[in-house]
Amino acid sequence: AQKVTQAQTEISVVEKEDVTLDCVYETRDTTYYLFWYKQPPSGELVFLIRRNSFDEQNEISGRYSWNFQKSTSSFNFTITASQVVDSAVYFCALSEAEGETSGSRLTFGEGTQLTVNP
Amino acid sequence: DGGITQSPKYLFRKEGQNVTLSCEQNLNHDAMYWYRQDPGQGLRLIYYSQIVNDFQKGDIAEGYSVSREKKESFPLTVTSAQKNPTAFYLCASSIGGTSGFYEQYFGPGTRLTVT
Repeated sequence: AQKVTQAQTEISVVEKEDVTLDCVYETRDTTYYLFWYKQPPSGELVFLIRRNSFDEQNEISGRYSWNFQKSTSSFNFTITASQVVDSAVYFCALSEAEGETSGSRLTFGEGTQLTVNP
Repeated sequence: DGGITQSPKYLFRKEGQNVTLSCEQNLNHDAMYWYRQDPGQGLRLIYYSQIVNDFQKGDIAEGYSVSREKKESFPLTVTSAQKNPTAFYLCASSIGGTSGFYEQYFGPGTRLTVT
């Protein structure tokens, strides 16, 4: 069975601080995909990034960066120089590569509420 | 504009009544999903459909029913058998039916309150 754990329930920072959101996953599959989604107060989830299990390169997109470490089953997300607009709930999720009935299913973590104060 | 619409945004019902939440997508996606979100919790999968006229139970299907008669529509009925129906319901879709590669796109959600 797959499982995603986001141990940090809530994080509060002051604007311009860097913040890292942790994600640890469990799966027996050798090929899988990891995702991060952002849920602003409006409620709609927004896709941020997908990572293939065979690609352990870190990725940077503007102020966002992601650190994927297969050895520790972690896929952490860092926001550099945080802004008030970054305040949201962030979800980490996992899917199998391919499956007749379950390949497209996402298993979500419980989310981390990030509050960035001015 | 392509996207997913859910209506209404807020829905109020009396206990014992069935209620149907609508979800429509114009992204030409094969797969569609229904999730439930409770305060402070992650998303739990209710039902999903990888192709028209086919759907599978998710982790918490009891008390819910769905249909997938058209590619663009995936309505969810919350029946009176659902013991705790008050929650935020999110619909999503993705391109590939069975592949886990494709990200899911989400609608704005429907907040259901049953009293």
